[in-house]
Amino acid sequence: AQSVSQHNHHVILSEAASLELGCNYSYGGTVNLFWYVQYPGQHLQLLLKYFSGDPLVKGIKGFEAEFIKSKFSFNLRKPSVQWSDTAEYFCAVRGAAGNKLTFGGGTRVLVKP
Amino acid sequence: EAGVAQSPRYKIIEKRQSVAFWCNPISGHATLYWYQQILGQGPKLLIQFQNNGVVDDSQLPKDRFSAERLKGVDSTLKIQPAKLEDSAVYLCASSLGTGNSWDTEAFFGQGTRLTVV
Repeated sequence: AQSVSQHNHHVILSEAASLELGCNYSYGGTVNLFWYVQYPGQHLQLLLKYFSGDPLVKGIKGFEAEFIKSKFSFNLRKPSVQWSDTAEYFCAVRGAAGNKLTFGGGTRVLVKP
Repeated sequence: EAGVAQSPRYKIIEKRQSVAFWCNPISGHATLYWYQQILGQGPKLLIQFQNNGVVDDSQLPKDRFSAERLKGVDSTLKIQPAKLEDSAVYLCASSLGTGNSWDTEAFFGQGTRLTVV
């Protein structure tokens, strides 16, 4: 069965600091990988996605993620965070077989002004 | 483009009562998901439909939860009877996800926050 592990439950940063959130998945076949963000009081929104091709993907609001197949990882990065990046971030994986979309436990990020 | 619509937004019920949630996915989306998100946790897949057929319901507590998508469009999720531990946000999502275009993103609704007292 596919699963997703997010390493950090809570992260506290100051504005302008760099952010990296870890995500590892377990699935043996072809995968789609996603990062979703949930701002306070809002619904889940797609931040970025990897389907195929260049393993370094760029998303909205300056976020990027790198797919490292050998490590089953899809870490999220942002060079310089803003207070408005305070949110909960979820990594998700979907295996080609069955199209099942599985989420990690989430990481709460608090950016201090 | 209209998003995924869910209702109600909030629901408070007593334990042992029944409740139903409704979801209308984005037009043309073949795949529909129901997730349960307990406070402080990631969304957990309850059931996934492809058109009106069930693809995965392995984590659906079938003794009390049921879901249907009769015409392959909107869907209802029911809990009967509810328990205290069912308090959560119930999320509906949809994706284009057909056999030849499985690699599409899922779009989420606002969710229904259920409180069981």
